[in-house]
Amino acid sequence: EDQVTQSPEALRLQEGESSSLNCSYTVSGLRGLFWYRQDPGKGPEFLFTLYSAGEEKEKERLKATLTKKESFLHITAPKPEDSATYLCAVDNYGQNFVFGPGTRLSVLP
Amino acid sequence: DTAVSQTPKYLVTQMGNDKSIKCEQNLGHDTMYWYKQDSKKFLKIMFSYNNKELIINETVPNRFSPKSPDKAHLNLHINSLELGDSAVYFCASSPLSGSPYNEQFFGPGTRLTVL
Repeated sequence: EDQVTQSPEALRLQEGESSSLNCSYTVSGLRGLFWYRQDPGKGPEFLFTLYSAGEEKEKERLKATLTKKESFLHITAPKPEDSATYLCAVDNYGQNFVFGPGTRLSVLP
Repeated sequence: DTAVSQTPKYLVTQMGNDKSIKCEQNLGHDTMYWYKQDSKKFLKIMFSYNNKELIINETVPNRFSPKSPDKAHLNLHINSLELGDSAVYFCASSPLSGSPYNEQFFGPGTRLTVL
């Protein structure tokens, strides 16, 4: 069965303290891996798509990387406005998306 | 302008009632989805529609029935509501099912509470 796990479950950082979030996946076939951000009371907001091992994407303070078994979302010098739940999802060629449980990030000023 | 919209935002109802949630997207996308996010915040896909045709129907009770009158709309009808149906329901759309550019865009969600 296709599975996506994320760690840590929750992460508290001081403003400016860089860190990484992990997404590990077990799927029969990977067409794409997606990162989303979800703020409380809102729908997930698309951040990145990664298609093949070795690929990297960047947006402001966020950088996503992909290997054959996992993806990392690196947050450099985070700000309080980066606080949110970060969701990872995989497209497994079944025209289906499998989401991970998310990492709840809090950045303290 | 809102890209993916849902109505209502909140829905409180009694067990056994029938209710509907509406979804509209103005992005010109071919594929639309319904997701359920439970109290543990786990997002799980329920249905996927491509050009008004059902593509995915995960293990969902047949009390849930999606209806797509056209490519821009995918409504969710729920019959005989149960306590366990309480959750946040998200509608989403993506450019083309099967395309490598399958990023999904989500609506704001509908919080359903069954009493």
